[in-house]
Amino acid sequence: LAKTTQPISMDSYEGQEVNITCSHNNIATNDYITWYQQFPSQGPRFIIQGYKTKVTNEVASLFIPADRKSSTLSLPRVSLSDTAVYYCLVGNDYKLSFGAGTTVTVRA
Amino acid sequence: SAVISQKPSRDICQRGTSLTIQCQVDSQVTMMFWYRQQPGQSLTLIATANQGSEATYESGFVIDKFPISRPNLTFSTLTVSNMSPEDSSIYLCSVEDDRGDFYGYTFGSGTRLTVV
Repeated sequence: LAKTTQPISMDSYEGQEVNITCSHNNIATNDYITWYQQFPSQGPRFIIQGYKTKVTNEVASLFIPADRKSSTLSLPRVSLSDTAVYYCLVGNDYKLSFGAGTTVTVRA
Repeated sequence: SAVISQKPSRDICQRGTSLTIQCQVDSQVTMMFWYRQQPGQSLTLIATANQGSEATYESGFVIDKFPISRPNLTFSTLTVSNMSPEDSSIYLCSVEDDRGDFYGYTFGSGTRLTVV
């Protein structure tokens, strides 16, 4: 499984865009990049997944450069309710490997 | 996506006892997964449970300590046996979820276990 590295924590303010970059230098050809969000006292929630280029859904955007050695999760106009831990996962099968995640704190 | 009901949501147990955690899914799924999340830590996969076969355990986890049942395609249980304070964690079940072009996983809300 490819190892991922992401910042331990990030602070932001309401209405700002938050970008979390995840490094995965050893990503394999058939690996997907998936991001999960976890609120306190809840299980992780799937946010977005991509393989290359850019993916956008109603919650976030995922930018993946051509070499796929990193990816950036973009959360537009965050609110207080976006305060959570965000996990970047890289793989292609059911064995999810969660790293430490990034704790995003949104302040008023 | 699948909806998971996990019970109990929390429990405080005496050391040396066992606790069985239930995971109910609102649709049939092939694979169910059990994770542990120790206080302030990330998630660690304990085992994979397939209906009709024995669970597959990850390194560091054994069947005697964490027996798993998978009687049908919508239900599984995880038992934490002979508990010690080190077993105090959040235990979560998860299922693979078909979201169309890509696959993601849905997690239950977890069972917060405190062993005293």
